[in-house]
Amino acid sequence: EPEVTQTPSHQVTQMGQEVILRCVPISNHLYFYWYRQILGQKVEFLVSFYNNEISEKSEIFDDQFSVERPDGSNFTLKIRSTKLEDSAMYFCASSADSAWNEQFFGPGTRLTVL
Amino acid sequence: RKEVEQDPGPFNVPEGATVAFNCTYSNSASQSFFWYRQDCRKEPKLLMSVYSSGNEDGRFTAQLNRASQYISLLIRDSKLSDSATYLCVVKDPYNKLIFGAGTRLAVHP
Repeated sequence: EPEVTQTPSHQVTQMGQEVILRCVPISNHLYFYWYRQILGQKVEFLVSFYNNEISEKSEIFDDQFSVERPDGSNFTLKIRSTKLEDSAMYFCASSADSAWNEQFFGPGTRLTVL
Repeated sequence: RKEVEQDPGPFNVPEGATVAFNCTYSNSASQSFFWYRQDCRKEPKLLMSVYSSGNEDGRFTAQLNRASQYISLLIRDSKLSDSATYLCVVKDPYNKLIFGAGTRLAVHP
């Protein structure tokens, strides 16, 4: 069964450092998403991406965040200068289309900012 | 008012029990509705979509009341493996998923 994969599973970084979280969406999917979940809190939408551009973003997704699809398979989330409050689980998701299809989630990357 | 509101629980039930979870949402323009399941420190996984006419999948029954902006999930004959957090999820008009904080279920022998 096709699945979304994410690397690394756990990333530890120092405050102020840049991190890149990587995702490989399901191969025939066209819509890509990043969500995050701070420990003990709910899952929150960050950004959606379609046709090589951002289609929607939340107020969390400020200038420190960027997304990219550098090739035909990877979808990345970059945090330019990490803060302590960026520590969270980051989930990538993809869907075949926007309307009714399920969004399939990857296993997540746990980001710890020290 | 929270966009998606759920009772956090926990619900502690014995095996074989029937348990019901409720959820309300604030945006009347919401497009579609789901129940996801999340195990500890894992990704959310779709349990079932929720349709206006109500739908059933084995031991699980979901209901939607658009007029009241209310969604429910009923689990019959609970199994130990049903222990998890159940997330009420609403898709907004811009296609993003809005998650509730989840309801914890613990099924004991």
